[in-house]
Amino acid sequence: ELKVEQNPLFLSMQEGKNYTIYCNYSTTSDRLYWYRQDPGKSLESLFVLLSNGAVKQEGRLMASLDTKARLSTLHITAAVHDLSATYFCAVDPLMDSNYQLIWGAGTKLIIKP
Amino acid sequence: GAGVSQSPSNKVTEKGKDVELRCDPISGHTALYWYRQSLGQGLEFLIYFQGNSAPDKSGLPSDRFSAERTGGSVSTLTIQRTQQEDSAVYLCASSLGPSTGNTIYFGEGSWLTVV
Repeated sequence: ELKVEQNPLFLSMQEGKNYTIYCNYSTTSDRLYWYRQDPGKSLESLFVLLSNGAVKQEGRLMASLDTKARLSTLHITAAVHDLSATYFCAVDPLMDSNYQLIWGAGTKLIIKP
Repeated sequence: GAGVSQSPSNKVTEKGKDVELRCDPISGHTALYWYRQSLGQGLEFLIYFQGNSAPDKSGLPSDRFSAERTGGSVSTLTIQRTQQEDSAVYLCASSLGPSTGNTIYFGEGSWLTVV
């Protein structure tokens, strides 16, 4: 069974701290996506990682992909309250399309002022 | 509009009734997806449309669920004889195509509650 596991599922942290969310997956793939979802809102695309060793950064967020370890990380640097949201990773097990992505359960991140 | 539009945003229905959920994708997007998100869960793939090709219905959980896409644009997801376990957020998304690397844009979802 194809699985995508995120941890932690819930994270409460103080502003200014650094932390990492992990996304492990059980199938061969070099296509991984990170999304953000605010409460009651749509999912917003953050990063698309398309190769082993890919690293992308946007503001205080940085995502990386290690296809050999089947692991992606989302690192948060000097967290600010506005980053509070639920973060999802999703893996494309087919590697040639993106319509049957397998999704993690999400990591709910709360950043306290 | 500029984004994926879904309606209704909220729907409360009685068990056994039929519901229709509508999705208007971003103009020019040939790929359209329906997902279901239950409370605290990740997304569950339901169905995928690509242009005029036959849809991939492999994610539909039962024959009570069906979807169509008219004219390659607007899509309707229909749930017949709703059950309480159908309560979830139904998310529609679209993208330029199925090729990997295309960003999938999501609507804000239709929150369905079956009572």
